[in-house]
Amino acid sequence: EIVMTQSPATLSVSPGERATLSCRASQSVTSNLAWFQQKPGQAPRLLIYGASTRATGIPARFSASGSGTEFALTISSLESGDFAVYYCQQYERWPLTFGPGTTVDIK
Amino acid sequence: QLQLQESGPGLVKPSETLSLTCTVSGDSISSPNYYWAWIRQPPGEGLEWIGSMHFRGKTFYNPSLQSRVAISVDTSNNQFSLKLSSVTAAGTALYFCARQYCVGGCYHFDYWGRGILVTVSS
Repeated sequence: EIVMTQSPATLSVSPGERATLSCRASQSVTSNLAWFQQKPGQAPRLLIYGASTRATGIPARFSASGSGTEFALTISSLESGDFAVYYCQQYERWPLTFGPGTTVDIK
Repeated sequence: QLQLQESGPGLVKPSETLSLTCTVSGDSISSPNYYWAWIRQPPGEGLEWIGSMHFRGKTFYNPSLQSRVAISVDTSNNQFSLKLSSVTAAGTALYFCARQYCVGGCYHFDYWGRGILVTVSS
């Protein structure tokens, strides 16, 4: 199984600042990677698929890059609604696996 | 607008079978472009994929659960279901159903239900 890791576990950021989250795969997932945002009590929301394509309705302040084993999600200017947990997930190979998540909280 | 809604018992006894249903509205579960999936999240923890199924019957399961899990599709009611047998306390989790885009391969989960909390306890 492909193991996903994320860093940091927690990122403390002030509103308006930039946040960069990292995701690493234990073997190449090419560009078959998604990013999700989850707020307390809610289902995950798809932000990014194909490693860098924003899902429908996702604002341009969310961008992502990477391929192979190293990926990044950047939030250019954090808004109050962006404080949440972010998960990466690979769909290169079954079984599908998620990273442990990065919590973005208010500094 | 596509909506998915989980339903089922919120409490299951240890060693029994957990049974959940996801009702899909706004799209046909018989669409050839999608698989239908279950994902779970223990309280305070991360996400674990359980399995995905196409309406024609092709199914993929997480090997860690494969011996105890079954996903089925009911096209007449536009629903799909999860059965997880011999549950233990480790099965206590928020269970989500989701749609997975699959054209020329299987890709991302684009729509999720709100989740249903299932507690395994006597």
